[in-house]
Amino acid sequence: NAGVTQTPKFRVLKTGQSMTLLCAQDMNHEYMYWYRQDPGMGLRLIHYSVGEGTTAKGEVPDGYNVSRLKKQNFLLGLESAAPSQTSVYFCASAPLKTSGNTGELFFGEGSRLTVL
Amino acid sequence: AQSVTQLDSQVPVFEEAPVELRCNYSSSVSVYLFWYVQYPNQGLQLLLKYLSGSTLVKGINGFEAEFNKSQTSFHLRKPSVHISDTAEYFCAVTFRGNTGFQKLVFGTGTRLLVSP
Repeated sequence: NAGVTQTPKFRVLKTGQSMTLLCAQDMNHEYMYWYRQDPGMGLRLIHYSVGEGTTAKGEVPDGYNVSRLKKQNFLLGLESAAPSQTSVYFCASAPLKTSGNTGELFFGEGSRLTVL
Repeated sequence: AQSVTQLDSQVPVFEEAPVELRCNYSSSVSVYLFWYVQYPNQGLQLLLKYLSGSTLVKGINGFEAEFNKSQTSFHLRKPSVHISDTAEYFCAVTFRGNTGFQKLVFGTGTRLLVSP
């Protein structure tokens, strides 16, 4: 019963380095999301995808890129990491509206990223 | 703009005391409402949800919430808290009416601190 799996769970980067966070879901969900969580700011949407091959910007997309080459995977990339990107990143997924999607999201356990 | 407000960033309470975590949202359209809980160093898990029907919704771990349409509120309550309820609680709302993508909007969270 994997659900939504994020890798890696922890990572430390130096300013300017690049990295990719991987999110995998085994629930055949169409929608996938990347959020960042910062103290006092709740969860903010970075990018999302409504299906394989499609992506869209959320509230705070700058400095991040995403790809959804396979339905079950949603990758979040940082091309040139900055200290302001130190955060906890959460991936989530949801089924199609026609499949009963009410907006409820299914979350991974998070990836803690520190940029020095 | 559609928004979710959790006025209390932190709520300290003694064990076995009752607690209420407040959530208000701004909307003139129908909504789906959720409370998520995040235990330390974990992802978010669904506590309860309101989709339609009875305005009093019961969730896991003895929590309940009441949807009040006229006050646009969805406050979370528990009659007697335990130490293990110490966590961060997020209110979230899907603003129904979209024909396609359903976006979940989160509040900034309330940290519940239960002490002996």
